[in-house]
Amino acid sequence: KAGVTQTPRYLIKTRGQQVTLSCSPISGHRSVSWYQQTPGQGLQFLFEYFSETQRNKGNFPGRFSGRQFSNSRSEMNVSTLELGDSALYLCASSLEPGTAVYEQYFGPGTRLTVT
Amino acid sequence: TQLLEQSPQFLSIQEGENLTVYCNSSSVFSSLQWYRQEPGEGPVLLVTVVTGGEVKKLKRLTFQFGDARKDSSLHITAAQPGDTGLYLCAGDQGAQKLVFGQGTRLTINP
Repeated sequence: KAGVTQTPRYLIKTRGQQVTLSCSPISGHRSVSWYQQTPGQGLQFLFEYFSETQRNKGNFPGRFSGRQFSNSRSEMNVSTLELGDSALYLCASSLEPGTAVYEQYFGPGTRLTVT
Repeated sequence: TQLLEQSPQFLSIQEGENLTVYCNSSSVFSSLQWYRQEPGEGPVLLVTVVTGGEVKKLKRLTFQFGDARKDSSLHITAAQPGDTGLYLCAGDQGAQKLVFGQGTRLTINP
């Protein structure tokens, strides 16, 4: 079974631009979560989607948004990029909520550099 | 305040030595996961522990969940350079939203 895939793997953007990152979950997984990882803050939860609906949201500004499609694929968007948005953005997929044990499987990440 | 505290944050030891990494909280978790992450890659799930007092072994790695389900430990026997990486613990408080520790960066020197 193929793992979580994320595209692109690397991205360089300029301050003020916007960016869209894509994530395809493991086949059969219907929940997708997004995380931001930086050396100083570690892994921080952005949001989670299930059945095309945002189920949980972390403490990030409104510039960060996401969506999920009917095939469970997800995208996240960051508008008006700031230097501090440079990070590794990780997507994780899991079975639908309510399963006995909650486990997440991560993709390789998208390394975003804002200059 | 970090909900899950990992210690130590950095650990550098020689090949063949043993080590233990700790993951502590004042909160109860319905399950706890351990991940290993290598540079430029996403975290890879190593194990999930669910029952208080549970012990799971993965080759030279031994994972234990505290009796009260508030803490966990990872013990590596006879560490090898391939064990080098960032070890993360993550707990589910029951809302199926994982909270992560800040990680332990482990370096095994040949």
